[in-house]
Amino acid sequence: DAMVIQNPRYQVTQFGKPVTLSCSQTLNHNVMYWYQQKSSQAPKLLFHYYDKDFNNEADTPDNFQSRRPNTSFCFLDIRSPGLGDAAMYLCATSRDATGQETQYFGPGTRLLVL
Amino acid sequence: GENVEQHPSTLSVQEGDSAVIKCTYSDSASNYFPWYKQELGKGPQLIIDIRSNVGEKKDQRIAVTLNKTAKHFSLHITETQPEDSAVYFCAASSAGNKLTFGGGTRVLVKP
Repeated sequence: DAMVIQNPRYQVTQFGKPVTLSCSQTLNHNVMYWYQQKSSQAPKLLFHYYDKDFNNEADTPDNFQSRRPNTSFCFLDIRSPGLGDAAMYLCATSRDATGQETQYFGPGTRLLVL
Repeated sequence: GENVEQHPSTLSVQEGDSAVIKCTYSDSASNYFPWYKQELGKGPQLIIDIRSNVGEKKDQRIAVTLNKTAKHFSLHITETQPEDSAVYFCAASSAGNKLTFGGGTRVLVKP
């Protein structure tokens, strides 16, 4: 089945220690998104890639970076995680960015910062 | 930018009853409105969506209505079952396919 895969499902890191979360997709979609979701809140868009074009949200901290080496993979790098970065990180994809394209979400990676 | 309000924040219903969740949005340019169901520890799953050229859409026990003039849309779940218990998010999509989510509704279906 075509799907969005996130690894690992759970990640524990130490305060200030860089961490990378990964996402892959078999849908061959052009657009990949990264969201942060804190407990009892809605997902918050961090950034997205349209093909190789990176689009950062204005309020996304510089601590968060992303890479998309090819169509299938996208990575979220947190350079110096703080306690406030503990959250569920969701990857999503859409076929295009016309404004009416469905976004398909992966299962998420729950990040714990000690 | 877009702002989406969702009500109620929690909803408890008896199994077999109907559940209704309402959302309003602010940007008249928004033209795509998906609904997601999120179970504990999982990613959001699309359950139904509606586009601005349609007023109502139904899929088995789930239906969505859209009133573009009033800028509101609603999710209706009939004959609720315990497996419908989850958090439901409405969203509005505008230029660039950016989703703005509502605050979520925690639905509990009591057997």
